Amino acid sequence: GAVVSQHPSWVICKSGTSVKIECRSLDFQATTMFWYRQFPKQSLMLMATSNEGSKATYEQGVEKDKFLINHASLTLSTLTVTSAHPEDSSFYICSAPREGGTDTQYFGPGTRLTVL
Amino acid sequence: DQQVKQNSPSLSVQEGRISILNCDYTNSMFDYFLWYKKYPAEGPTFLISISSIKDKNEDGRFTVFLNKSAKHLSLHIVPSQPGDSAVYFCAASGTGKLIFGQGTTLQVKP
Repeated sequence: GAVVSQHPSWVICKSGTSVKIECRSLDFQATTMFWYRQFPKQSLMLMATSNEGSKATYEQGVEKDKFLINHASLTLSTLTVTSAHPEDSSFYICSAPREGGTDTQYFGPGTRLTVL
Repeated sequence: DQQVKQNSPSLSVQEGRISILNCDYTNSMFDYFLWYKKYPAEGPTFLISISSIKDKNEDGRFTVFLNKSAKHLSLHIVPSQPGDSAVYFCAASGTGKLIFGQGTTLQVKP
């Protein structure tokens, strides 16, 4: 069964609005979660590392003021796309490694964001 | 700078034959490699992994080969089944973060 969930699975919003995406680890605690973005027919691109109790670490070229990440608890990380624009339309995926596990990560089902 | 590359965007094989998906990397600090399978509108699913101290890892129909000197890894699927049709991503890790290749779309024809 799924060990990482995401909500919502898809969202359509108007340009200029903000959208919050939740990522939850279901049966384990995750001090670290990762957020990825995938454009059609392209690779999964790591956006940021979400750290419980501290600030997220963003990859080069990712605007931290636009993609707000909050790791509120050991099982929940949220990604908020602020003032969304059509170019933000994409597939957003989170992942979490098992505590004490290997680099194997468990991915959420993804969230399809469409900005009109 | 693409640190992990999958140079073949697509591959088509006949059911029952072998599928070979290739992946190259540039960063010699990577010490763990993984293959993921992804269906449209879903998150990736872990398939198989290999540590840099090994050159082969086998799990059922899936075998991953690692050639460190060539910075190359490959995924072999044998026999291929129609249900294997999906996008396959290789990924590399050296610091806990995963760096993904662009993906290869595999189509297995009945």
